[in-house]
Amino acid sequence: DAKTTQPNSMESNEEEPVHLPCNHSTISGTDYIHWYRQLPSQGPEYVIHGLTSNVNNRMASLAIAEDRKSSTLILHRATLRDAAVYYCILLRGNQFYFGTGTSLTVIP
Amino acid sequence: KAGVTQTPRYLIKTRGQQVTLSCSPISGHRSVSWYQQTPGQGLQFLFEYFSETQRNKGNFPGRFSGRQFSNSRSEMNVSTLELGDSALYLCASSSLRDSFRNEQFFGPGTRLTVL
Repeated sequence: DAKTTQPNSMESNEEEPVHLPCNHSTISGTDYIHWYRQLPSQGPEYVIHGLTSNVNNRMASLAIAEDRKSSTLILHRATLRDAAVYYCILLRGNQFYFGTGTSLTVIP
Repeated sequence: KAGVTQTPRYLIKTRGQQVTLSCSPISGHRSVSWYQQTPGQGLQFLFEYFSETQRNKGNFPGRFSGRQFSNSRSEMNVSTLELGDSALYLCASSSLRDSFRNEQFFGPGTRLTVL
């Protein structure tokens, strides 16, 4: 099975950068790495995804290790609205394999 | 553009009953996936439909089934409900225009409580 491992929780000060790690040692060559986040009482929302190269978008950056066995989601300046559970996911075929997620607390 | 809608939002059933949940994807999206979210197991994939055909299925018993209609709306059905079926059931749709991207748009979920 495709599996990801994340820390249960992390804290960050507001307006500081946040680095959320994920291990996916069982990743195969065609698996995509996706990140979604879930705010309280909402469904997950897309953050970013990548295959081999680092990726940037308006929400975040994704740094992927050279061996692809780990990745890091980077929020450049955490805001209170970024408080959520962040899921690192492997996309294998058309199926998502969710990790247990990291609950991010942003401290004002 | 309207988002993914799920009905009902909340549902209470008793053991042994069956339940049907509905999902309306974003207009133009042809792929619909279903997930179960529980505190113990987290988010788990149930199944995915594309153009009325089930393409992928997760590791759930046959009591869990689904279908998709020609307008891409989807339903999932759980028969002979068990206490452990209490969960948030999430539906997600995807346009699949870019098969490598596969960004999914999630609905707010249906909270099912089995008593």
